[in-house]
Amino acid sequence: GESVGLHLPTLSVQEGDNSIINCAYSNSASDYFIWYKQESGKGPQFIIDIRSNMDKRQGQRVTVLLNKTVKHLSLQIAATQPGDSAVYFCAESDSGSARQLTFGSGTQLTVLP
Amino acid sequence: NAGVTQTPKFQVLKTGQSMTLQCAQDMNHEYMSWYRQDPGMGLRLIHYSVGAGITDQGEVPNGYNVSRSTTEDFPLRLLSAAPSQTSVYFCASSYLRENEQFFGPGTRLTVL
Repeated sequence: GESVGLHLPTLSVQEGDNSIINCAYSNSASDYFIWYKQESGKGPQFIIDIRSNMDKRQGQRVTVLLNKTVKHLSLQIAATQPGDSAVYFCAESDSGSARQLTFGSGTQLTVLP
Repeated sequence: NAGVTQTPKFQVLKTGQSMTLQCAQDMNHEYMSWYRQDPGMGLRLIHYSVGAGITDQGEVPNGYNVSRSTTEDFPLRLLSAAPSQTSVYFCASSYLRENEQFFGPGTRLTVL
């Protein structure tokens, strides 16, 4: 079946630097994408979402970019802080799947002091 | 608002035992769902509900039952626990199916 995957399982960045977490998806019908953050021992927490009629969306210190041509999205975190250390998941859905979210396996982001 | 609450936080079962994982939300969300999370894998949908009285199967429903008698509660029942059901279970809710889902803190289940 269709799947959502991540290019890198782990990412280490220096505090203050920008982070970029990538996600590839294979379902060309996907039209809604979400990024979640999961800290150790906690449930996933919504960060930002984007619909397929957009290619960029910005939040507080975060930006999501969507490239439908190559079925790729990324999460950019500006001025990464120690509190950003977590696992980040992308998830996608399409109307054909009854809007069920399909999650990627996650990227572990570690912020180095 | 408490958001999405789950009990228990931890549980150890023996093979063949049954139990119910509780989930409740106080946000008046219509859509609720159960996921399991295994090491190195993303969340996989077990069952979901689009409203009271309505439930449906997700990607991995075998061995689990759900019911939705009220908008607030969405319990997950393990009928006869198996070691393959050792996992972390998350309940989530959202106003609409395709909206941002709010997750509970999870239940870590070990089946011996």
